[in-house]
Amino acid sequence: AQSVTQLGSHVSVSEGALVLLRCNYSSSVPPYLFWYVQYPNQGLQLLLKYTSAATLVKGINGFEAEFKKSETSFHLTKPSAHMSDAAEYFCAVSEGGYGGSQGNLIFGKGTKLSVKP
Amino acid sequence: EADIYQTPRYLVIGTGKKITLECSQTMGHDKMYWYQQDPGMELHLIHYSYGVNSTEKGDLSSESTVSRIRTEHFPLTLESARPSHTSQYLCASSEFGFTGELFFGEGSRLTVL
Repeated sequence: AQSVTQLGSHVSVSEGALVLLRCNYSSSVPPYLFWYVQYPNQGLQLLLKYTSAATLVKGINGFEAEFKKSETSFHLTKPSAHMSDAAEYFCAVSEGGYGGSQGNLIFGKGTKLSVKP
Repeated sequence: EADIYQTPRYLVIGTGKKITLECSQTMGHDKMYWYQQDPGMELHLIHYSYGVNSTEKGDLSSESTVSRIRTEHFPLTLESARPSHTSQYLCASSEFGFTGELFFGEGSRLTVL
């Protein structure tokens, strides 16, 4: 079965500092990988996704993530944090490898990002 | 911008009451989902649907039930609410062909006293 581990339930950075949110996955087949963001009192929205094309994926709001098969990782980064980045971030892996007929996502526990002025 | 709506946003109810959480989407998506979200925990899939008259149980066992009579509507029902049902419930939808992009509603936060 596939699974996702997000290291650190809470990450705090200063405004302008590098953001690094860690995600490791477990999968017996090449996965599809995703990062979603959840702002307070809102639903989740897609930040970016990896679907076996380029290993470095760029998303919205200046975020990017790199798929590293050898490390089974898909860490999320942003060079310079902004106050508006404060939110909870969820890493997810697709069930069934290349999507399959279900394509259901398995989510990690989330990492809450705080940005200090 | 996603067009998926959940009502009520917040509900406080007593034990034993029947509740229905509504979810509607205007994007014409075939697939719809219900996730349960608790603080510090993974989002757990409790129900999903491929389309009209299709309902499947997710990876987390739930006492709730769902129906899909219309493409745009995917309500979740608890026949007899208990304090253990206190949680946030998120509805989502996606196109049938897998792209990984789920569109989420803003959630329904249920508190059972």
